[in-house]
Amino acid sequence: KAGVTQTPRYLIKTRGQQVTLSCSPISGHRSVSWYQQTPGQGLQFLFEYFSETQRNKGNFPGRFSGRQFSNSRSEMNVSTLELGDSALYLCASSSGTNEKLFFGSGTQLSVL
Amino acid sequence: GEDVEQSLFLSVREGDSSVINCTYTDSSSTYLYWYKQEPGAGLQLLTYIFSNMDMKQDQRLTVLLNKKDKHLSLRIADTQTGDSAIYFCAESIVTNDMRFGAGTRLTVKP
Repeated sequence: KAGVTQTPRYLIKTRGQQVTLSCSPISGHRSVSWYQQTPGQGLQFLFEYFSETQRNKGNFPGRFSGRQFSNSRSEMNVSTLELGDSALYLCASSSGTNEKLFFGSGTQLSVL
Repeated sequence: GEDVEQSLFLSVREGDSSVINCTYTDSSSTYLYWYKQEPGAGLQLLTYIFSNMDMKQDQRLTVLLNKKDKHLSLRIADTQTGDSAIYFCAESIVTNDMRFGAGTRLTVKP
């Protein structure tokens, strides 16, 4: 069974641009969560999607958004990038609520 | 401050046991997890424990949970150099909004 796949692996953007990250969950998993990991703040929850609906949201500004498609694949978008958005963005999938989360390898975003 | 707390560093000799400790604050936590992160990689689920359990053993890994003190520990027996990584403790309540500790960097010396 393939694991959680995130693309691209690395991204370099400049301030003010926007970026879209992609996540394909484990087959059969309907929940996809996104986390931001930085050296200073650690791992912080962004949002969770289940059956194409955002079910839970962390404390991030509206520049951070996401969506989930009918095949459970998810995308995360960050608009008007800031230097502080540089981070490893991790996607995790699970089979349902309060189930084990399986993480992808992440997308390393650098904002210059 | 963080809801989940861990010490930042642990150094052990190869072959010794490692014990990584974690404290959490939410008594409603239903699941507690240990994840491992190697450089440049995502988080690998090592093991987890339900809040109604006291102990769980899985090969070289032993998880102990003290609900009264809100204390969780991970013991790695016969620690190997390949165990060098950052270990994260995490709790979840009823959703997939997990709260992570800052991570403990385990260094295994030959």
